[in-house]
Amino acid sequence: GAVVSQHPSWVICKSGTSVKIECRSLDFQATTMFWYRQFPKQSLMLMATSNEGSKATYEQGVEKDKFLINHASLTLSTLTVTSAHPEDSSFYICSARTGTLDPRSGNTIYFGEGSWLTVV
Amino acid sequence: KQEVTQIPAALSVPEGENLVLNCSFTDSAIYNLQWFRQDPGKGLTSLLLIQSSQREQTSGRLNASLDKSSGRSTLYIAASQPGDSATYLCAVYSSGDKLTFGTGTRLAVRP
Repeated sequence: GAVVSQHPSWVICKSGTSVKIECRSLDFQATTMFWYRQFPKQSLMLMATSNEGSKATYEQGVEKDKFLINHASLTLSTLTVTSAHPEDSSFYICSARTGTLDPRSGNTIYFGEGSWLTVV
Repeated sequence: KQEVTQIPAALSVPEGENLVLNCSFTDSAIYNLQWFRQDPGKGLTSLLLIQSSQREQTSGRLNASLDKSSGRSTLYIAASQPGDSATYLCAVYSSGDKLTFGTGTRLAVRP
C-alpha cells in the first residue's frame, strides 16, 4: 500500500522553543493531509486539515498561531509547534489522502508512523 | 457532533479465542467506517474499510460489519493470537472527509 513517512519519530525540546514535524507521502501525491494529536490513553483528535497550496483549516479549539501547518507541495506537509510547553507533549500523527475529497469514493487514508513530542 | 464509542475499553483473552469488538456512533449519516490497529508507540495500521453501501468486509481472520441505521459496527477476530495484542480503533467518516475516532479497545491475547 501507499507509504506516509513522518519525521522525526521522537523529539525532545526545551520549553519555549519550536519544533517541526514533517509528513511526506512517498509514493503518491496527497492533495489533502490531516494532522491529529493523541494524548495518553485517549483517542486521536483531528487538529487541522491541510490542503496543498492553501491555508490549513483548523478544528475548533486548536490555536493556529501555535500549530503552524504548511502544505507546500503534494508530497509534504509540516506541523510546527511554536513556543512549545510541557502540555504540548503528545503523540502527533499525520495522514494523507489521495484522489478525490469525497469519502464515498472509498479511498483509503494512509497514516504516518507518528511523532512523539516531549517538551521539558 | 459525531461521537464514537468503543466497548469494551480493554479485553484480555486466551490465545485461540474468537472475540468481538464493538463500535457505536451517534450520527448515522456516515460515509465510511474504518478499523485500525495501533501498537504501543506506533502509528496506525488500517485493517478494514467499509463503505456506506456495504454491510461487511473480511480480511483473513478479521471480519467487520456495519449497521448504519443502528449506528453500530463490530470487528470479529477469529482464533486470536498473541500477535493480535494491540489497541483497535474504529473511525467514521462524516461531514466530508474528516475522521472521528473511537476511544479504542486495548486487546491482550495471552499465550
